[in-house]
Amino acid sequence: EAGVTQSPTHLIKTRGQQATLRCSPISGHTSVYWYQQALGLGLQFLLWYDEGEERNRGNFPPRFSGRQFPNYSSELNVNALELEDSALYLCASSKGQYNQPQHFGDGTRLSIL
Amino acid sequence: GENVEQHPSTLSVQEGDSAVIKCTYSDSASNYFPWYKQELGKRPQLIIDIRSNVGEKKDQRIAVTLNKTAKHFSLHITETQPEDSAVYFCAASGNTGKLIFGQGTTLQVKP
Repeated sequence: EAGVTQSPTHLIKTRGQQATLRCSPISGHTSVYWYQQALGLGLQFLLWYDEGEERNRGNFPPRFSGRQFPNYSSELNVNALELEDSALYLCASSKGQYNQPQHFGDGTRLSIL
Repeated sequence: GENVEQHPSTLSVQEGDSAVIKCTYSDSASNYFPWYKQELGKRPQLIIDIRSNVGEKKDQRIAVTLNKTAKHFSLHITETQPEDSAVYFCAASGNTGKLIFGQGTTLQVKP
């Protein structure tokens, strides 16, 4: 069974630019979650999508947004990039809703210069 | 607000010894508690999870215990091996979809 796949592996941007990160869930999973893992700050919940709808959002500004496509893949968009957005962005997927095991991808390392 | 405290931040044990990592959660609505292992440069890997209707769960050398009254849950690794060396994260979730993670514990198993 193929795991969660994320692209690109690395992304380098400058302040003010926009970044798009992509995630393909495990086959059969309908929920996709996004987390930010910044150095020294652990994993912080960003967004949860299920069946194409945004179900929950973490304490991040509106310039962090995303969507889920009919095939359950997802995009995370970050606008007006700031230096502190430099982090590893992890995508996870699960079956259905509510407290199903979440399985992570390898992440996208976003570096802001 | 929602918070998960994890201790210790670092743990060093001799190969063959046991390791215990403890977490405390604040949200009484939490009912799902997974544990993840993250090796350097790799993805977090789910190693065990427990739900609020269960007090203990075991999987070979790994066990998790949950005390709902005290809002504590712990990871126990017995007969540690060098390949157990990694960062371990606890997490808690209610019916919100989001996992609230602890700060992580760096476990070093010395051969």
